Amino acid sequence: KAGVTQTPRYLIKTRGQQVTLSCSPISGHRSVSWYQQTPGQGLQFLFEYFSETQRNKGNFPGRFSGRQFSNSRSEMNVSTLELGDSALYLCASRGSGRGWTDTQYFGPGTRLTVL
Amino acid sequence: GENVEQHPSTLSVQEGDSAVIKCTYSDSASNYFPWYKQELGKGPQLIIDIRSNVGEKKDQRIAVTLNKTAKHFSLHITETQPEDSAVYFCAASIGGPLNDRSGGYQKVTFGTGTKLQVIP
Repeated sequence: KAGVTQTPRYLIKTRGQQVTLSCSPISGHRSVSWYQQTPGQGLQFLFEYFSETQRNKGNFPGRFSGRQFSNSRSEMNVSTLELGDSALYLCASRGSGRGWTDTQYFGPGTRLTVL
Repeated sequence: GENVEQHPSTLSVQEGDSAVIKCTYSDSASNYFPWYKQELGKGPQLIIDIRSNVGEKKDQRIAVTLNKTAKHFSLHITETQPEDSAVYFCAASIGGPLNDRSGGYQKVTFGTGTKLQVIP
């Protein structure tokens, strides 16, 4: 099976702009989670989507939003970018739709730089 | 909320020696504990995991132990090789069933990472 894919791999934006990141989960996986990784804060959970609905949300401002499509692909949007939003954004997928499926598989990430 | 502490932050070992990374967690409801390896420029890769109903799990040179009473779990790598050099993350997770009826959820808290260097 192909792994989790994320596009684009690298992005450079300026303060105040907005950005959309895309994630395609492993085939058959219906849950997609997003994480922000920075040297100072480590890996922090943003949100999880399952069946096109946000199931869980981390402690991030409303500028961070997401959505999931019927094919399980997910997008994450950050509006009004700040310098502190520079980070590696990771997407992880899990589940085959049958009961307990804890294991998450990560994509390669999108490196966002805000100037 | 859950808090996961990971030690040490850096670890250097000679090739062939063993490496041990330790994590503690705070929420006794956590029931799933994965370990990830992250190489430069890549996303975290799952290397081993353990569930709360198991005390130990081994996969070739890698093993994980869990002490629920003390709320700590450890990663053991034996016969280390230069390609084991990477950053390792532990995590503690609280999850519910993932299906259409219940919706499901998962709260994952990661440790701060251990940079392992294996010296040839």
